[in-house]
Parts: sequence; C-alpha cells; structure tokens
Amino acid sequence: EVYLVESGGGTVQPGSSLRLSCSASGFTFYNYWVAWVRQAPGKGLEWVGSIDQHDNEKYYVDSVQGRFILSRDNADRSLYLQMNHLRAEDTAIYYCVRDTFGVFDSWGQGTLVTVSS
Amino acid sequence: EIVLTQSPGTLSASPGERATLSCRASQSVGGNNLAWYQQKSGQGPRLLIYDASNRAAGIPDRFSGSGSGTDFTLTINRLGPDDFAVYYCQQYDSLPRTFGQGTKVEV
Repeated sequence: EVYLVESGGGTVQPGSSLRLSCSASGFTFYNYWVAWVRQAPGKGLEWVGSIDQHDNEKYYVDSVQGRFILSRDNADRSLYLQMNHLRAEDTAIYYCVRDTFGVFDSWGQGTLVTVSS
Repeated sequence: EIVLTQSPGTLSASPGERATLSCRASQSVGGNNLAWYQQKSGQGPRLLIYDASNRAAGIPDRFSGSGSGTDFTLTINRLGPDDFAVYYCQQYDSLPRTFGQGTKVEV
C-alpha cells in the first residue's frame, strides 16, 4: 500500500520560510512524479507544483513561482517543499501526492501551515 | 488556464438515491484528461475516476464518470452512508493543473 506522510508544518510569521517534507513508502519512489496540493481552511483544492522523477522538471502554480522550491531525494524516498517569503494566503493544509501523468492517485493526510503575525 | 465549474454547489439526497454531479470546463479538456476525487471531513482526498470514465483501483462500480470536451459528469448510484462527502473534478490536460470548487453531497 502507498503511504505518504507529511511533516514540517507549523505557524510562522509573514515573510518567513518553512520547509515541508514528505516521506514515501509502498511504491518505487524514483519511478514517479510527485507533487504538492494545498487546501486553505474551508476552501477547495489548489495544485502547488509537481516534480519529475529525476529532480529535473519542476512546475509551479503562478502564485508560488519564485517563492517555493520543489526538491526530492530518491535515496531517502523523500519530497520537499521549501517555502520562502510566506504570505497569509499561503495558509493551508499541504498534501503530498503521487502524480501519475497528472492524476493525483495517492494522497497523504496533510500538514497544516499557518502564516500569521 | 482551464477553469472548472462544478454544479450544484450542494446536493441534498437520501441514502439509496442517485446523485449526478456536473463539471464544466472553460475550454475543451483534451484526451478526456479529467479526474474525480472524494474528500471526507478531516481526510485527504481519494481518487475515484481518471480519464473521465475509468474507476480507480478499489472504487465500487456504483461510481461512474462520463463526458468529453467541456462537459463531464460523475454519477453515484444507490448512495451509501459513506458517500456523503465533497467531490472535486480536476483536469490534467494542461498546466496549471486545476480543480473545480467542489460539490458537497449531503443528507
């Protein structure tokens, strides 16, 4: 069974940075794209970005382009999201997902990021 | 960017009934690259349907997807107590990946 476990969420002030991690198991991690999808409190789902198997291709939603950075460590079966210059509107639950040709076929339980002064 | 609009926003139904959810795209979704997800309160979403009409592994056959181009439908036959949740459509034809705003199916 596929497991994706996020960590690293918390409460931070506007303008600060935070790094989220996702630990994967139950599948051959290095064969898959992976992604982050977020959900603001009481709102819908928003794709944040996706990264290819080799840490070469990365795509982001416009609202985080230049502030967030995706990376991965295949040896460690881990996905990361470095979030810089955080804004109040980045407050959300961040889900780690397995991205199979654009289909988000497995999801973690999420980690909450709150940006507040 | 492809904008997905789901209707209705909330659907009231009873166990055993059929629910029909709609997802309309602002432009044609090529290759029928559309998925449906279910999200229960306090949980991460779960993939139900991909390629507009293919059920994901382990999804019961009372869930079915149809449609093409700009109009897609998720049908839930014989609503069970576990089916009352929020449903999202998502397109993966182009970047950015986008979701509809969701349809809540409530008792």
